[in-house]
Formats: sequence, structure tokens, C-alpha cells
Amino acid sequence: QVQLQQWGAGLLKPSETLSLTCDVKGGSLSGYYWSWIRQTPGKGLEWIGEINPVSRVINYNPSLKSRLTISVDTSNNQFSLKLTSVTAADTAVYYCARGGVPVAWSSLNYWGQGTLVTVSS
Amino acid sequence: DIEMTQSPSSLSASVGDRVTITCRTSLSINNYLAWYQQKPGKVPKLLISGASILESGVPSRFSGSGSGIEFTLTISSLQPEDVATYYCQKYNSPPRTFGQGTKVEIK
Repeated sequence: QVQLQQWGAGLLKPSETLSLTCDVKGGSLSGYYWSWIRQTPGKGLEWIGEINPVSRVINYNPSLKSRLTISVDTSNNQFSLKLTSVTAADTAVYYCARGGVPVAWSSLNYWGQGTLVTVSS
Repeated sequence: DIEMTQSPSSLSASVGDRVTITCRTSLSINNYLAWYQQKPGKVPKLLISGASILESGVPSRFSGSGSGIEFTLTISSLQPEDVATYYCQKYNSPPRTFGQGTKVEIK
């Protein structure tokens, strides 16, 4: 059974870089798309982006693309998110997730526990 | 980008009621639509993929239907444990956008 465990700094100042890592247990990174999603306080879910470690295809939400980097570390079975120049609007719970089948067009079957990131001066 | 419209934003119904939530897209996504349930303080949970395929372990009172641009999630007999916010998501192509969510409460 795949398990995703994520971590990263929970408190940032404006203009700093948000950095989160998702560790994958119980399965390989290969073949699947690995995603990041966020949820602002009291609001809905926002798809951030995804990466496929084999094809190296990376897709970003256009609204975040200029500040966003998603990468993968296959040797450690991890993938990561970096978001630069954060503002209070980036305060959210961030989730990592994986699809149920090894294709791009997959629902998100497995989720990390979520990391609350607060941006405040 | 394809726009997603989910309605209603909230609803209140009695135990045993039939509840329907709708998700509409601005362009056809065939059946590449998922429904998620998020209970307060919890991680979203996949209920339905492929517009109508119930995930293993999900109670049969949940069902999904639709194709193209209009989709529905139905709870045939609302139970207290169904109190949650429900989200649709299109996953045919990026960005794999979520709907705005529907908060379901017990009257």
C-alpha cells in the first residue's frame, strides 16, 4: 500500500521560498504522476502541478508557473515542491498525492497528510 | 483552460434524504471526472473516478453519473457520517482543476 509522508517549513516570511518534500513508501516513483495540491484556509482545493519521473513531463498550474518548481529524487523515492516569493495568499495546507493508475489522466487515489504553511511577517 | 462549476455551494438535508450535487465543465472532458469527500480536518478521499466508478470500500449509497460536460454525485440516503465537503475534479488534461466544493450538512 502506497503511503505518502510530507514535510517542510511551516512558517515563512513574505518573499521567502516555500519548500516541501514528499516521501513515498510502499512503491516506486516510476510510471506514475506525482502531484501537489493546496487548500487555502476555509477555501477549496487548488491543483498546483505534477511530475512524471520517467518521462520527465512536468505540468504546472498557469497561475503559479512563474514561481513554481516541482522536482523528483528517484534515488530517495521523493518528490519536492518549491514556490518562490511567497505572500500571505500562499498560506494554505499543501498536499502531495498520486494517481491510481500509471497514466497522466488519473484521479488522485493516494494523499499525504498535508502540511500547513503560513506566510506571515 | 476548462472552467468548472459545482453547485450548490452548500446544502442542508435530513437523514435519509436523496442528495444531488452537480459539476459542469465549459468543454467536454468525456468521463475524466472524479469526486472527493473531505471531512472537517481530514485529507480528501477519492469516492468516484471515471465519473461513475465507485472506489473500493465506498458505501453503495454514493453514485456518480454523467459524461461530457455535466456530472452528478448522488447520495441516495444521506447519513450523519456523510457530513463533509464534496469536490469534483477534472483530470483529462492539465490543469486538473477542482470544483469549488459543496458543503453537506444535516438539517
